[in-house]
Amino acid sequence: DGGITQSPKYLFRKEGQNVTLSCEQNLNHDAMYWYRQDPGQGLRLIYYSQIVNDFQKGDIAEGYSVSREKKESFPLTVTSAQKNPTAFYLCASSQGSGQPQHFGDGTRLSIL
Amino acid sequence: EDQVTQSPEALRLQEGESSSLNCSYTVSGLRGLFWYRQDPGKGPEFLFTLYSAGEEKEKERLKATLTKKESFLHITAPKPEDSATYLCAVRSNAGGTSYGKLTFGQGTILTVHP
Repeated sequence: DGGITQSPKYLFRKEGQNVTLSCEQNLNHDAMYWYRQDPGQGLRLIYYSQIVNDFQKGDIAEGYSVSREKKESFPLTVTSAQKNPTAFYLCASSQGSGQPQHFGDGTRLSIL
Repeated sequence: EDQVTQSPEALRLQEGESSSLNCSYTVSGLRGLFWYRQDPGKGPEFLFTLYSAGEEKEKERLKATLTKKESFLHITAPKPEDSATYLCAVRSNAGGTSYGKLTFGQGTILTVHP
């Protein structure tokens, strides 16, 4: 089945540690996105990529980094500079920037 | 700046009791309004895209409509399995025509009791 796979489902970060969230899609979509979801708030865009080897900052990129070396993969690193990383992180992809975005099942990140 | 407001924040219905969810938006040139369903601990599941005022889309017990200022998600004779958070998002001209950024509302939590 085609879809978006996020791993791990749960992740714990220690003080001063960088952690990387995985996102893989087999939908052959060009565009990929990372969102952060906090209770009672809408999804907020962290980074997006419209094509391999290119990505742009979203609304809340500080403390995060990404790479897009392959069409299928768009990993997100939460760095130690992100002071409030506890959230539900969602990866999405779309065929083009105007098409509906399809989401993975998320990674829940917590602080130890 | 694009803004999306959903109401009510939470809605409790009895099975079979029809109702509507509202999504009000302010954008600089609407290029699509999207409805999603999200179950607890899961990612949003795409339901509908609406592009222009007057457009309607239906899927099972759900019907989405669009005006120039708001969209409604009508739920007819809901069942307990329709319980979920329903999210509304808009795509606009902001950021350039090639940019697919969505601005999301905070969602409506729907609970349908048997």
